[in-house]
Amino acid sequence: QSALTQPASVSGSPGQSITISCTGTSSDVGDYNYVSWYQQHPGKAPKLMIYEVSNRPSGVSNRFSGSKSGNTASLTISGLQAEDEADYYCSSYTGSDTLVFGGGTKVTVL
Amino acid sequence: QVQLQQWGAGLLKPSETLSLTCAVYGGSFSGYYWSWIRQPPGKGLEWIGEINYSGSTNYNPSLKSRVTISVHTSKSQFSLKLSSVTAADTAVYYCARETYAMGVWGQGTTVTVSS
Repeated sequence: QSALTQPASVSGSPGQSITISCTGTSSDVGDYNYVSWYQQHPGKAPKLMIYEVSNRPSGVSNRFSGSKSGNTASLTISGLQAEDEADYYCSSYTGSDTLVFGGGTKVTVL
Repeated sequence: QVQLQQWGAGLLKPSETLSLTCAVYGGSFSGYYWSWIRQPPGKGLEWIGEINYSGSTNYNPSLKSRVTISVHTSKSQFSLKLSSVTAADTAVYYCARETYAMGVWGQGTTVTVSS
């Protein structure tokens, strides 16, 4: 299975909105609504931000939203804040009863 | 509040077997899959595999020949064994509770493979 494709880096100014893409195939992202997104700060364990494409776990800010179109899922962070600076990973269920991650995107707040 | 606590050897020699265990506290053990994920230094996350309370497993095809995940239901624990390790297996290893998404994570264990 191949890793999902994410941009290496995305940046934005405080208050702006940014979007991170996650491109897979018709065998994973395109065929299942089991895309999730994780935030990871340096030296910390990842934190679930979005599950099943667009659902936020309890306690996650509504500034984070997810969507999907075809084989590409997206994570949008609105009202960008300094604390949002972190690495972000997408993940998808695949048709082979496995999970696959994206390569990760470094978000920089300018 | 579910918490995962993991432990295991942190320094291995090439060809040895990596062994880690993850204990689940404060929540149900059944009804979920339990995953192992790793992250090499400076790199991204890699899903290793999963197991449910009845022992049904799924593995990453790239690691399948070397991986065994087992469950110890009476202790609410699950374990990872990775055989014939090399330097490429050096990583932080995480356990996680999963239902298509990893909602609860362990603290991570750094495993270094070096002669």
